Amino acid sequence: AQTVTQSQPEMSVQEAETVTLSCTYDTSESDYYLFWYKQPPSRQMILVIRQEAYKQQNATENRFSVNFQKAAKSFSLKISDSQLGDAAMYFCAYRSAVWAGGTSYGKLTFGQGTILTVHP
Amino acid sequence: NAGVTQTPKFQVLKTGQSMTLQCAQDMNHEYMSWYRQDPGMGLRLIHYSVGAGITDQGEVPNGYNVSRSTTEDFPLRLLSAAPSQTSVYFCASRINRGGTDTQYFGPGTRLTVL
Repeated sequence: AQTVTQSQPEMSVQEAETVTLSCTYDTSESDYYLFWYKQPPSRQMILVIRQEAYKQQNATENRFSVNFQKAAKSFSLKISDSQLGDAAMYFCAYRSAVWAGGTSYGKLTFGQGTILTVHP
Repeated sequence: NAGVTQTPKFQVLKTGQSMTLQCAQDMNHEYMSWYRQDPGMGLRLIHYSVGAGITDQGEVPNGYNVSRSTTEDFPLRLLSAAPSQTSVYFCASRINRGGTDTQYFGPGTRLTVL
């Protein structure tokens, strides 16, 4: 079974600064998908960014970017120009690219989460 | 679209009681799933469904039942509630034809079992 590890229970950053959240995963599969989700105090799960394992180019979404190192099984999230609204719990997640008969059976596996605090 | 809706938002049960957490989506998504979130453990998959009439177990299925009679609804049943089932429960859905298709989550149900 795949496992996802977030080794930083808590991180903090000053407003306008840059912070990087770490994520490693364990898998024997060659094709899969990786995600970062944000969970603010409202508990709503919000997709931040996603990456296909077969793509070498790192995904970018505005101030959010990833550093995907497939050989090292590492998938870190970089938040640039941090804003107060970025404060939340961040989850790294893995999904297998398992297909059968045109149906995707991939299940999301989540890390333990990292609480990000943004200081004004 | 209302997206993924869950009811109730909060629930308190006594040990041994049964109840059903409701989940519905109006996006015609084939794939639906239930997770529980406990402090320090992230979200763990309870059950999932790849389409109407098809369900399967996730990582922590014991004590829970599901059914999928329609594409829209995916209720989660607690058969005999235990304090260990105190948690926040999330329902999620996505279409089933893509790889990185976005998984949409409901707002969650906070369940306390006394």
